[in-house]
Amino acid sequence: GENVEQHPSTLSVQEGDSAVIKCTYSDSASNYFPWYKQELGKRPQLIIDIRSNVGEKKDQRIAVTLNKTAKHFSLHITETQPEDSAVYFCAASLGAGGTSYGKLTFGQGTILTVHP
Amino acid sequence: KAGVTQTPRYLIKTRGQQVTLSCSPISGHRSVSWYQQTPGQGLQFLFEYFSETQRNKGNFPGRFSGRQFSNSRSEMNVSTLELGDSALYLCASSPGLSLHEQFFGPGTRLTVL
Repeated sequence: GENVEQHPSTLSVQEGDSAVIKCTYSDSASNYFPWYKQELGKRPQLIIDIRSNVGEKKDQRIAVTLNKTAKHFSLHITETQPEDSAVYFCAASLGAGGTSYGKLTFGQGTILTVHP
Repeated sequence: KAGVTQTPRYLIKTRGQQVTLSCSPISGHRSVSWYQQTPGQGLQFLFEYFSETQRNKGNFPGRFSGRQFSNSRSEMNVSTLELGDSALYLCASSPGLSLHEQFFGPGTRLTVL
């Protein structure tokens, strides 16, 4: 089945710096890649996603890039703020059909700490 | 629209007991997926329901089961609880068609003593 590796497991930056989190996936048929932010004691919240027909997507300070050939995708956060501190999860999905319905395969998570 | 809701939020059970968790999806969403979140294993997919039918199942033992009702609300049941079943159980809803984002509920924190 699909396997998603996420690095680094912890990331500490100063406020205003950029943060980059990287994920690799194993199944070349995966075609949907969301990123979730989970604050302590809260539910995972979707912050950005990308589909396999797109190489890059931006939303204000957040961007995601996808390299289908290398099977990896990355989350970029610019001008980090203390409220960006949370656990970030990448995920991959095969989309609809067969054994892929409703299934997101998650990376192990990255604990991001932004120091004021 | 109201978000995904889960009840109860917290549960404490003892080994051998069974438990039922409930999830109400966003109005209009027909797909409900369930995940188990633990510090060691992270977020792992349990199963997915769409229009009262299980379409997909993860690698969990048969003690874990679920169902979905005609109003799209879903329940999951864990029988013969083990200590290792202690986890945060999250459900997520989506329209259920092709590549749609999943919206998570707040989760049910299950502690097995």
